[in-house]
Amino acid sequence: DSGVTQTPKHLITATGQRVTLRCSPRSGDLSVYWYQQSLDQGLQFLIQYYNGEERAKGNILERFSAQQFPDLHSELNLSSLELGDSALYFCASSAPGTQYNEQFFGPGTRLTVL
Amino acid sequence: AQSVTQLDSQVPVFEEAPVELRCNYSSSVSVYLFWYVQYPNQGLQLLLKYLSGSTLVKGINGFEAEFNKSQTSFHLRKPSVHISDTAEYFCAVSDALRTGANNLFFGTGTRLTVIP
Repeated sequence: DSGVTQTPKHLITATGQRVTLRCSPRSGDLSVYWYQQSLDQGLQFLIQYYNGEERAKGNILERFSAQQFPDLHSELNLSSLELGDSALYFCASSAPGTQYNEQFFGPGTRLTVL
Repeated sequence: AQSVTQLDSQVPVFEEAPVELRCNYSSSVSVYLFWYVQYPNQGLQLLLKYLSGSTLVKGINGFEAEFNKSQTSFHLRKPSVHISDTAEYFCAVSDALRTGANNLFFGTGTRLTVIP
């Protein structure tokens, strides 16, 4: 158990819908990262937040958005869903510090768009 | 952006045999390198990492990797595999030294299947 929790574990929805994925980082971690794992694209970095502020952005679609709240949990919002958005979405967290800090991954949320 | 190439998508190997999973990266600057393992229906777990120092890095579960700067490689090895090593293995790179951003760029993964 990494200490990172993600809800829900599974999500099934229809095209055109909007969903919210939730992530709670490990206690004390200030950074949250979102990754998408799909058969087509592999594992891709989407976005990073640090203590409530966006820190880095990867291949995140405009239909997707994220935020990190004052209690440090994060939400990834996916809207106007398409079949190709079906994937496993991982959240990771890391501790604050100037050196590289290991990312701890949650168990993921499996999104199926029908 | 960084890129990572895992040359083998699938590697079958007999139990107790040695294994090497290959990883090459492209970067003109210093990077941090990682190997993660993903067991079925689970998240990613860090096996080992190279940040600096000795080029031979030892990780969990008997795995080790060697950083080769001239060949831009970071191959993962285990001298004797077990059935429980059956999983997907991902090589990843971070260019945090250049960008200050901690995000990871992953390879496409290698599925290791250990045959009894």
